[in-house]
Amino acid sequence: ETGVTQSPTHLIKTRGQQVTLRCSSQSGHNTVSWYQQALGQGPQFIFQYYREEENGRGNFPPRFSGLQFPNYSSELNVNALELDDSALYLCASSSRQGSYNSPLHFGNGTRLTVT
Amino acid sequence: GENVEQHPSTLSVQEGDSAVIKCTYSDSASNYFPWYKQELGKRPQLIIDIRSNVGEKKDQRIAVTLNKTAKHFSLHITETQPEDSAVYFCAASSQGAQKLVFGQGTRLTINP
Repeated sequence: ETGVTQSPTHLIKTRGQQVTLRCSSQSGHNTVSWYQQALGQGPQFIFQYYREEENGRGNFPPRFSGLQFPNYSSELNVNALELDDSALYLCASSSRQGSYNSPLHFGNGTRLTVT
Repeated sequence: GENVEQHPSTLSVQEGDSAVIKCTYSDSASNYFPWYKQELGKRPQLIIDIRSNVGEKKDQRIAVTLNKTAKHFSLHITETQPEDSAVYFCAASSQGAQKLVFGQGTRLTINP
């Protein structure tokens, strides 16, 4: 069983730039969620993708966007980067069957630093 | 929206003793409560979860209790070992395992 993998592991960007983070879900999982974890804080829900569509969104501005592909992998895009976007970005996958959702399994994350 | 409060923020216990971490939630519709362990520089790992139709769940040295009336749930670790040292996060959701709202975390240190 392959776990959740994310790339890149680390990234340094300049304020105003755009970034794309990638995630491959665990085998057998069809749902991908993205979370932002600031230093010393708990993860915060950004959004979730199911069947290639956004299925729930947290309190994040529209410059945070995403995609899910037919193989269930996903991308997180952030435009017009701000210093406060510096954080660990976690991808989590799960299996959704009807109204049941299996527990989330997280990847190792991408550490984004905005200077 | 949902708000999850977690206490204490830091906890230090002697090896072999028990550790208890407590969380409260605000949304009475919440029905799923997982606990994650995060070691330094690593991913959050699910250690145990409970759904609202049960009051207690155990897995070896780890147990979680849920009081829906009081809207709080707790993590109990018995016979603590040095490898239990990590940051522990509670979370709650009203949509099963979707859209988790996390607490602020508890840094647990096990002293040998």
